[in-house]
Amino acid sequence: EAQVTQNPRYLITVTGKKLTVTCSQNMNHEYMSWYRQDPGLGLRQIYYSMNVEVTDKGDVPEGYKVSRKEKRNFPLILESPSPNQTSLYFCASSPGTPGLEQYFGPGTRLTVT
Amino acid sequence: DQQVKQNSPSLSVQEGRISILNCDYTNSMFDYFLWYKKYPAEGPTFLISISSIKDKNEDGRFTVFLNKSAKHLSLHIVPSQPGDSAVYFCAASADDKIIFGKGTRLHILP
Repeated sequence: EAQVTQNPRYLITVTGKKLTVTCSQNMNHEYMSWYRQDPGLGLRQIYYSMNVEVTDKGDVPEGYKVSRKEKRNFPLILESPSPNQTSLYFCASSPGTPGLEQYFGPGTRLTVT
Repeated sequence: DQQVKQNSPSLSVQEGRISILNCDYTNSMFDYFLWYKKYPAEGPTFLISISSIKDKNEDGRFTVFLNKSAKHLSLHIVPSQPGDSAVYFCAASADDKIIFGKGTRLHILP
C-alpha cells in the first residue's frame, strides 16, 4: 500500500531535549516536505527536499533541521525544542513539485512543556 | 503577509445543495493551485488541482474555477454529501514551494 508513515504519532517532551520525528514514504517520490498545523494559522511549510541531499527552507524553518540521506526518509529534527513548537506536524511526499498531488502522513502531535 | 487567503472560517450547506469554497491569492507567480480536504485526526488528502493556464477543472462532483485577473479561485461541490463535512485547504505553488490558506470548515446539514 502506497503510504507516508510518521513516528511517533504523539510525543510529549520538555524544553531543550533533542528529538527526531521520522518520516518515510514507499512511493519512490522525489519531493518531500514537512508542515506544521496550528489553530487559526492553517498549514505552514517548514522544510522541503527536492531529492537526496537537496533540502531547502520553507516559511517557518527556525528551530528545525532536516536531512535527506535516502530517498524514502526525511526526518525532522528539533535540536532544542521550545513550547512554541508545540503543534501538529505533517510529512508529505510528491512525485515532483508541490504543484502535483502530495500524499500526507497521519500527523505527529508534539507537546513541549 | 498572507499570500493565500480563505476568508470564510466556516460554511454550512444543506445536503444535496452546492457548496462553494473561496480562495484569494496575491502572488501572480503561482503556477498551480490545489485543494486539500482534511478530516480530524488524519492527514490532508488531495482533492483537485488546476494549472494557472486553465480556468476550470472538473473531477466528478468537484470543480475548481480560476479567475487570474481577480486572483481568485473557488471549489464547487455538487451535490454536497454528508461525507464532505471536513476542513478544506486551498494551496498555491510556485517553483518548489507551496503556501496553504488557513482552511474553511464545511458543515453539510441533513
